[in-house]
Amino acid sequence: GEDVEQSLFLSVREGDSSVINCTYTDSSSTYLYWYKQEPGAGLQLLTYIFSNMDMKQDQRLTVLLNKKDKHLSLRIADTQTGDSAIYFCAEGTDTGRRALTFGSGTRLQVQP
Amino acid sequence: GAGVSQSPSNKVTEKGKDVELRCDPISGHTALYWYRQSLGQGLEFLIYFQGNSAPDKSGLPSDRFSAERTGGSVSTLTIQRTQQEDSAVYLCASRLIAEITYEQYFGPGTRLTVT
Repeated sequence: GEDVEQSLFLSVREGDSSVINCTYTDSSSTYLYWYKQEPGAGLQLLTYIFSNMDMKQDQRLTVLLNKKDKHLSLRIADTQTGDSAIYFCAEGTDTGRRALTFGSGTRLQVQP
Repeated sequence: GAGVSQSPSNKVTEKGKDVELRCDPISGHTALYWYRQSLGQGLEFLIYFQGNSAPDKSGLPSDRFSAERTGGSVSTLTIQRTQQEDSAVYLCASRLIAEITYEQYFGPGTRLTVT
């Protein structure tokens, strides 16, 4: 079945870059997403990438996709304390109900 | 515009009682999803509604769980005879079918605690 895995925790200093990694198993994945969840809030879509792309940049965010290795990463440049949250990687396919399969989330802690 | 809303935000119930959780999707979004987020876990798909089609219930963990969507808008997730393992955050999401990114918009969730 489908599986998405992430490391559980990452701690960085304010101003450094953060890199959150994710691996997935479904080779038919069409879209890959990064969601952010702040305490007491729902999930907020940060960015997405189509499976036929290698990289996507959006302001401080850079998404890299290695489709051969089924590896996705999210790089946050100049990390701020407001970036402290849980980041979820998710994948979806272009068929059926298109429910997303989520990883268990990476808690990013930004030290001032 | 208004996002996805859910109520209640928190629910504490005794084991064996029934609970109802409500979701108001974004107006015009015909696709609606329920997910469950247990402590330290990712989101687990529960059920999917799309327009007037039969719902996809393949993620419901037991027959104690059911959901309905009236008039293609508001949805209610019902858990009968709650058990302690049902304690989790229940998240609702809606989606605009025509949106090519398939982005799902999430509500803030209902935190259910079964004592």
